[in-house]
Amino acid sequence: GQSLEQPSEVTAVEGAIVQINCTYQTSGFYGLSWYQQHDGGAPTFLSYNALDGLEETGRFSSFLSRSDSYGYLLLQELQMKDSASYFCAPHSGGYQKVTFGIGTKLQVIP
Amino acid sequence: DTAVSQTPKYLVTQMGNDKSIKCEQNLGHDTMYWYKQDSKKFLKIMFSYNNKELIINETVPNRFSPKSPDKAHLNLHINSLELGDSAVYFCASSHRLAGGLNSYEQYFGPGTRLTVT
Repeated sequence: GQSLEQPSEVTAVEGAIVQINCTYQTSGFYGLSWYQQHDGGAPTFLSYNALDGLEETGRFSSFLSRSDSYGYLLLQELQMKDSASYFCAPHSGGYQKVTFGIGTKLQVIP
Repeated sequence: DTAVSQTPKYLVTQMGNDKSIKCEQNLGHDTMYWYKQDSKKFLKIMFSYNNKELIINETVPNRFSPKSPDKAHLNLHINSLELGDSAVYFCASSHRLAGGLNSYEQYFGPGTRLTVT
């Protein structure tokens, strides 16, 4: 079957580093995306990992281990504007269906 | 210029009514999607079209019927609306790469908040 797990809520301090973990069980797995969604807004793409390892984009990095069916999003130098929901989203199947789930609500506090 | 647009932004209607949501993208993408996000923020794919052809059809009541008149438009018609249909509906699009795979990045519209009373 298919399953997707990530913490429902995370709280971190402004300026700190936070890691949001994701485990998945996805048949026909292609890769793992991360999306950010602010309250009342639309999901926006952050990163994609097709291969094992770390991808860095500015303050955000994403990691994938295909053998462990595990990934994480690392946010550095947290800012108040990073308060949002973060979705890990595995891609699967011939048409690369993307599964989003419920996301992790990150609250950044002063 | 807006990349993916949806109309209306808000829709309030009564149970039993029929309503449509329209989506247009000006990115030149080949693939478009409809997602439903419920009050708990659970975001789930409903349908996907590639060049007007239905390619993903999740377990969705047949009261929901997508229509793609051309590859830049994907509309969603909902018959006999129920209370449980209340949600935010997002349209999205992505580019289709050579070889048949979709580019991994999806571009989302602003969403349509549907409230059924």
